[in-house]
Amino acid sequence: QSALTQPASVSGSPGQSITISCFGTRADIGAYNYVSWYQHHPGKAPQRILYDVYKRPSGVSNRFSGSKSGGTASLTISGLQAEDEAEYFCASYTDGGTYIFGGGTKLTVL
Amino acid sequence: QVQLQQWGAGLLKPSETLSLTCGVYGGSFTGYVWTWIRQTPGKGLEWIGQIEHGRSAYYNPSLKSRVIISLDASKSQFSLDLGSVTASDTAVYYCARGPFWFDPWGQGTLVIVSS
Repeated sequence: QSALTQPASVSGSPGQSITISCFGTRADIGAYNYVSWYQHHPGKAPQRILYDVYKRPSGVSNRFSGSKSGGTASLTISGLQAEDEAEYFCASYTDGGTYIFGGGTKLTVL
Repeated sequence: QVQLQQWGAGLLKPSETLSLTCGVYGGSFTGYVWTWIRQTPGKGLEWIGQIEHGRSAYYNPSLKSRVIISLDASKSQFSLDLGSVTASDTAVYYCARGPFWFDPWGQGTLVIVSS
């Protein structure tokens, strides 16, 4: 099963908003609302920032939001801050009972 | 707050068995699904498999023939064994808690397979 498709990189200036898309299929993103997003700073463990498409864990800023339409999920970060610079990747449960990840998107805060 | 700490050998020769263990600290071990994930430069993140106390492990079909995930509830630990490794198994291996999303993650272990 191929990975979910994300842009390799995105960038934005402080205060701006950016959106990262995660393209899947009817067998994964389109089949379930078990889409999650993670923030990964180099050398550290990935951190969950969204789950069940749009839910935020306790302690995660409300600047992070998520949505889904058909087989595509999206992560939006508003009010960009320097600390948001990291790699972001999506994940989805699949109809095979497995999980699939996106290739990751490197966010650069200009 | 639950934390995962993982350990195991980081340098292997082709055909050897990769063995990693993940300890669960500060939280319940039962009622969750314990997962192994790896990240390779070429293929990105790949779900390896998972196990839940009292249930059979479930594996990625692409790795199923070489993987065993087990747990020791008495020690709040779970383990990964990947047999017959090749250079393509070189990756950072993570343990994580599920199901349906992964949180928290272990610190990651870089495993290099080289002759």
